[in-house]
Amino acid sequence: GAVVSQHPSRVICKSGTSVKIECRSLDFQATTMFWYRQFPKQSLMLMATSNEGSKATYEQGVEKDKFLINHASLTLSTLTVTSAHPEDSSFYICSASISKNIQYFGAGTRLSVL
Amino acid sequence: TQLLEQSPQFLSIQEGENLTVYCNSSSVFSSLQWYRQEPGEGPVLLVTVVTGGEVKKLKRLTFQFGDARKDSSLHITAAQPGDTGLYLCAGEGQGAQKLVFGQGTRLTINP
Repeated sequence: GAVVSQHPSRVICKSGTSVKIECRSLDFQATTMFWYRQFPKQSLMLMATSNEGSKATYEQGVEKDKFLINHASLTLSTLTVTSAHPEDSSFYICSASISKNIQYFGAGTRLSVL
Repeated sequence: TQLLEQSPQFLSIQEGENLTVYCNSSSVFSSLQWYRQEPGEGPVLLVTVVTGGEVKKLKRLTFQFGDARKDSSLHITAAQPGDTGLYLCAGEGQGAQKLVFGQGTRLTINP
């Protein structure tokens, strides 16, 4: 199956710093990637849809200036959490779309902001 | 806004028992997918159902898509401790590529 690599798997940072999370499709080209956030014992909440070469589409309530998304190539999308605060601590998961109804997910990044 | 109601949210049963997880909506979905997620990992796709009334089997797991494509079920026969995990249903809206996830069912199979 298609492989999506997400890095880092875990990051701990101080409040006020920025954190970049990478999402790579290793063996296929993904025109669309998605970023999700998952709180403990809850389901995935879509944050934004990222299309290669264009601006990301953010879901209602997600601050685009807070969560910067860049999709510079068909195999890489990045999510930067700017000026992170403790309330941004969460599990962030990316997925890459290989066809209309198929998404393959990365292993997730656990962000802890102190 | 399309919503998927997944039930039950928590289920703890003994090894060997059967169980069914439901995923319901008032909206029609182009397709519906079931994922399983382990702690600290991303979801792994189990199956995609596309046609109303479709039934797919994956070993002891049986997935069904409702005739109206508004609901789905996952049935596990003779559950085993290795089936423990978070099961998520996700629907793809008509004309949209993004997925809407249910709340998840946290399943625990006790030896």
